[in-house]
Amino acid sequence: DAKTTQPPSMDCAEGRAANLPCNHSTISGNEYVYWYRQIHSQGPQYIIHGLKNNETNEMASLIITEDRKSSTLILPHATLRDTAVYYCIVRVALSANYNTDKLIFGTGTRLQVFP
Amino acid sequence: DAGVIQSPRHEVTEMGQEVTLRCKPISGHDYLFWYRQTMMRGLELLIYFNNNVPIDDSGMPEDRFSAKMPNASFSTLKIQPSEPRDSAVYFCASSRRPGTGTGELFFGEGSRLTVL
Repeated sequence: DAKTTQPPSMDCAEGRAANLPCNHSTISGNEYVYWYRQIHSQGPQYIIHGLKNNETNEMASLIITEDRKSSTLILPHATLRDTAVYYCIVRVALSANYNTDKLIFGTGTRLQVFP
Repeated sequence: DAGVIQSPRHEVTEMGQEVTLRCKPISGHDYLFWYRQTMMRGLELLIYFNNNVPIDDSGMPEDRFSAKMPNASFSTLKIQPSEPRDSAVYFCASSRRPGTGTGELFFGEGSRLTVL
């Protein structure tokens, strides 16, 4: 099981904000939320991660609800190059070893940015 | 840094043949992962290594699949004998020890395998 739930697809107009939701209702207190994206035919690429505070970097912003059961990845000004599959995963970042079921990517959200 | 390097990028083979996929992780990374991606099943974790030791191979589909990591800079995924249902893109990824840096996985470009 991926431990996360995402909508299968979303559309967004170029230049507008893309808001991609993720449900992770069984998240544990020490698990982080990670977002990756996969552009066609390439390997997945890390975007951002967070524990409970909102995070922002040069690629995106991550908003995590107070109860941490869901999060939203925000691409503030989507471009055509942001068309990709976006994966939300949760996992512990501070343990000595990985918990394997926390490395499952699921099916993600296919974001289509249109002109 | 050259990133994770995989070879071959494309492989077409006939059923029953042996296939060997190769991966060079990023220098200094302690963890190496092998994933398989298909349209039907998405991105599946097959096996991962920590300091060259296999930690969890529960995702390896069957005995036809084997993976090795003889040293910190090289890993192989072997399929013998190959079958058409093994056709997929195989990704290798590496990362630092959990808790260091961002904890992200760095993926290679993948090896696209077609078994006829």
